[in-house]
Amino acid sequence: DSGVTQTPKHLITATGQRVTLRCSPRSGDLSVYWYQQSLDQGLQFLIQYYNGEERAKGNILERFSAQQFPDLHSELNLSSLELGDSALYFCASSAQGNTYNEQFFGPGTRLTVL
Amino acid sequence: AQKVTQAQTEISVVEKEDVTLDCVYETRDTTYYLFWYKQPPSGELVFLIRRNSFDEQNEISGRYSWNFQKSTSSFNFTITASQVVDSAVYFCALTPGETSGSRLTFGEGTQLTVNP
Repeated sequence: DSGVTQTPKHLITATGQRVTLRCSPRSGDLSVYWYQQSLDQGLQFLIQYYNGEERAKGNILERFSAQQFPDLHSELNLSSLELGDSALYFCASSAQGNTYNEQFFGPGTRLTVL
Repeated sequence: AQKVTQAQTEISVVEKEDVTLDCVYETRDTTYYLFWYKQPPSGELVFLIRRNSFDEQNEISGRYSWNFQKSTSSFNFTITASQVVDSAVYFCALTPGETSGSRLTFGEGTQLTVNP
């Protein structure tokens, strides 16, 4: 158990809908990361937050947005969902936001878009 | 741009065999960090090791060992006397060393199956 929690574990929804994925980092960690794992694209970095501020951005679609709240939990919002958004979405956290910090991953949220 | 290549898509071994998972990376940074993660069938990603670009010493942790060779841009992972519980997908990853923010660039992963 990494100490990172993600809810829900599974999510099934329809095209065009909007969903919110939630992540709580390990106790004391200030930085949160979101990754998408799909069969065709592998594991891809989406976005990083550090202490409430966006720190780095990867291949995140405009239909997706994220934020980190004052209590350090984070939410990833996915809107106008398409079939291709079906994937496993991981949240990770690290003590600081530096590149040498190891990132600890949550169990993931499996999103299925029908 | 950074890139990580794990050329071995799948490896199958019999228990107690040694197995090496290859990882080759590309980066223009002089400072960078390399990682290995394990993804067992349950799906979570488990951190195994971090190595910085200035430390080329090999590392051993129990049955696991890592060989970092900057000259060939490789960071290979060896499991000695493999066990069925080692069956998982293993990912090699890279972060840049000198930028603000952090992002892991992952390889494609190697599916290791250890048969009894």
